[in-house]
Amino acid sequence: GENVEQHPSTLSVQEGDSAVIKCTYSDSASNYFPWYKQELGKRPQLIIDIRSNVGEKKDQRIAVTLNKTAKHFSLHITETQPEDSAVYFCAASINTGGFKTIFGAGTRLFVKA
Amino acid sequence: EAQVTQNPRYLITVTGKKLTVTCSQNMNHEYMSWYRQDPGLGLRQIYYSMNVEVTDKGDVPEGYKVSRKEKRNFPLILESPSPNQTSLYFCASSLSFTGGTQYFGPGTRLLVL
Repeated sequence: GENVEQHPSTLSVQEGDSAVIKCTYSDSASNYFPWYKQELGKRPQLIIDIRSNVGEKKDQRIAVTLNKTAKHFSLHITETQPEDSAVYFCAASINTGGFKTIFGAGTRLFVKA
Repeated sequence: EAQVTQNPRYLITVTGKKLTVTCSQNMNHEYMSWYRQDPGLGLRQIYYSMNVEVTDKGDVPEGYKVSRKEKRNFPLILESPSPNQTSLYFCASSLSFTGGTQYFGPGTRLLVL
């Protein structure tokens, strides 16, 4: 079945720097790749997503890139701010008769002021 | 207000005592799903439903049951809870099963003694 690996597990950056979180997936049938942000004690919330027919998507300070050949996708946050501190999860979804979603283990991002 | 609700939010029970966690959404979403969140493991999908009377197993379905008799409700049933089902549970819904934002409920923290 599908497996999603996420790195790093913890990331600490200085305010204003960029942060990059990387994920790899195993099933080439995966076709939808969302990223969720979870603040402490709260529910996960979608921050950006990308479909398999797109290589890159950007929304203000957040961007996601997808390399289908390498089965690799990444989240890029530029000009980080303290409020970006949270746990970030990548996920891969497969639409083959059903619609399973497999999440990575998460990256805890600390943005130091 | 568009939302996903879960009840109860916190539950302490004993091994073997059947319990149900309710999930309801008011957005007329087709797709609903249950996840459990454990430290270091991210979110793991338990069951999902693509529409009324259509349910399927996620990655970790053992020990759980679900039903989807109405579009808005998707209860999670633990027939005989065990301590390894102690976890934080999230219900989520999305407009369709072809991808798109999953809206998460507030979570249910379950402790099985």
